[in-house]
This record gives sequence, structure tokens and C-alpha cells, in this order.
Amino acid sequence: QVQLVQSGAEVKKPGASVKVSCKASGYTFTSYALYWVRQAPGQRLEWMGWINAGNGNTKYSQKFQGRVTITRDTPASTAYMELSSLRFEDTAVYYCARASILDYWGQGALVTVSS
Amino acid sequence: QSVLTQPPSASGTPGQRVSISCSGSSSNIGNKIVNWYQQLPGTAPKLLIYSYNQRPSGVPDRFSGSKSGTSASLAISGLQSEDEADYYCATWDDSLNGPVFGGGTKVTVL
Repeated sequence: QVQLVQSGAEVKKPGASVKVSCKASGYTFTSYALYWVRQAPGQRLEWMGWINAGNGNTKYSQKFQGRVTITRDTPASTAYMELSSLRFEDTAVYYCARASILDYWGQGALVTVSS
Repeated sequence: QSVLTQPPSASGTPGQRVSISCSGSSSNIGNKIVNWYQQLPGTAPKLLIYSYNQRPSGVPDRFSGSKSGTSASLAISGLQSEDEADYYCATWDDSLNGPVFGGGTKVTVL
């Protein structure tokens, strides 16, 4: 069965960077894009960017352009989302999800930005 | 950035029918498909309805979707206690080149 397993919770200081991983299994990794979506406390789901797992092409939301980098390791069937220059308001649960219809989701990774 | 508007809450008693609206514009819902996600407390969202009214395998037929003009709706018939969750609509946004989500509707079973 399709599974997306993400890395664990992180606590970071303002200005630092965080890198969250998303390991895929149960399907051909390179056949689907992977999307990154975050959910801040009490806020709506917010799309951050996506990567074509086949050719590595990326597209980022303008809101996060310049701060977010999405990469993938094809042999490891894993995608990564790195967010830099962290601010308090980046405290959120970060999800990866498969394909543009977001048919499968990872369990989420809580990133807390605190001094 | 385009925004999809949902009511913050909806409720019903077991067995009732509950409907949730999602209002958009001609640049999103008006010419794009709409998907719905269910988020149970403390868990990741789950795809509930795609392409307006298609259900992934395993989703009960109590859940149905529809669209009219620039609005979409999710209906839950025969409401059950396990349906207590947050529900989000989403569609593709050409200006973002990515998905945009509604604010979510919390469904309470009385």
C-alpha cells in the first residue's frame, strides 16, 4: 500500500533552517509529484511547493520563494523540504502529499520555532 | 492569492444530512475540479472526494460532492459520530501554479 513516512518533530531557533524528509513506498516514486503543505495552529492548509520526482523540476509558492528548497533522492524514494530563515510564524505541521490531487499524505512533522 | 470560503462550523444529530459549502471564483472553482479532505483530530488530512464527486476506494457513499458555478458542496448523509472532523475543500490555482485550500469546516455530531 502507498505510504509516505516523514521525519520527526523538530525545535529550531529563529533564523535557523529545518529539513524534513518524506520517504515513499508502495508505488513507483518517479511516477508522481510530491507536494509540501503546511498547517499552522488555527490556520488553513497552505501549499508550499512541489517536486516532479521523475525529473526533479520544482515549483514554489511565491510566499516561500527564496526560503524553501525541495529536493529528492530517487534511489532512496525520499523527498526533502528545507525551510530557511525560520520565524516564529513558521511553527506548523509540515506535510508531504502525493500528486496534484493529494491522494496520500504523510503523517506530518511538527516544526516549532522558539527562542 | 485566491481564497476559498467555507463556513467555520456545521453540526447535526446522528442520521441527519449535513452540507458544507465552498465558495470560490471563476478563476478557481469556476473552471477547475474541486477535491475535499477530511482531517480527524490529530491526524493528517485524507482525500475524501476528488473531481467534484468521485470517492476513493474505502470512502463510504454517505459522502458526496457537487458543484454549481463558482461554488462546490460536500454532503454527508446519515451522519455518524465518526464523521466528527474538519473538512477542507481545495482546487488548483493557476496564478499560484499550486493548490489552494478553504479555511476548513468543523463538523460536530450532537
